[in-house]
Amino acid sequence: AQSVAQPEDQVNVAEGNPLTVKCTYSVSGNPYLFWYVQYPNRGLQFLLKYITGDNLVKGSYGFEAEFNKSQTSFHLKKPSALVSDSALYFCAVRDRSNTGKLIFGQGTTLQVKP
Amino acid sequence: ETGVTQSPTHLIKTRGQQVTLRCSSQSGHNTVSWYQQALGQGPQFIFQYYREEENGRGNFPPRFSGLQFPNYSSELNVNALELDDSALYLCASSLYSGSVATDTQYFGPGTRLTVL
Repeated sequence: AQSVAQPEDQVNVAEGNPLTVKCTYSVSGNPYLFWYVQYPNRGLQFLLKYITGDNLVKGSYGFEAEFNKSQTSFHLKKPSALVSDSALYFCAVRDRSNTGKLIFGQGTTLQVKP
Repeated sequence: ETGVTQSPTHLIKTRGQQVTLRCSSQSGHNTVSWYQQALGQGPQFIFQYYREEENGRGNFPPRFSGLQFPNYSSELNVNALELDDSALYLCASSLYSGSVATDTQYFGPGTRLTVL
């Protein structure tokens, strides 16, 4: 069965510093991986996805993610964090059932302090 | 371009009642998925609709049902509400491109359902 894990409940970084939010996955076959962000009392906003090709995926708001097949990881990164990046981040993997189902991790709260 | 919209924003019901939640797809999208997000959890897939038919269901009982209309909008109906149904219900739309596996789902703001 497909699954994703976000090993950190919370990540704290100072504004201007690089940030990393970790995600590992378990799938059979090629993974289709996604990152979403959720602000308080809001729905999920799409950041980026990996389907195939270049292991470094660039997305919205300056975020990027690195796909690492050997480590089964898909970590979200940003070179310089902003206070406004503070939010809840979800990693997701597409289920192989051809239903469009996304399987989400538990989420990681990112806190960027000025 | 209009994003995904959902109504109502908040809803309070009592146990045993029935509820209908509504979703309008993003312009140009033809597929709708519904998710339940309990407090402190990641979203859980309920089901997806394409061409007005259910295209897969998650681990939810039959009292969760849905509809998709010709204009691609959708409804989620929940009968016999239970306390555990209290959650944020998220609708996501996407454009079927030949492979649902690679399609990107765009989410609405959600409906917060409280069951007392």
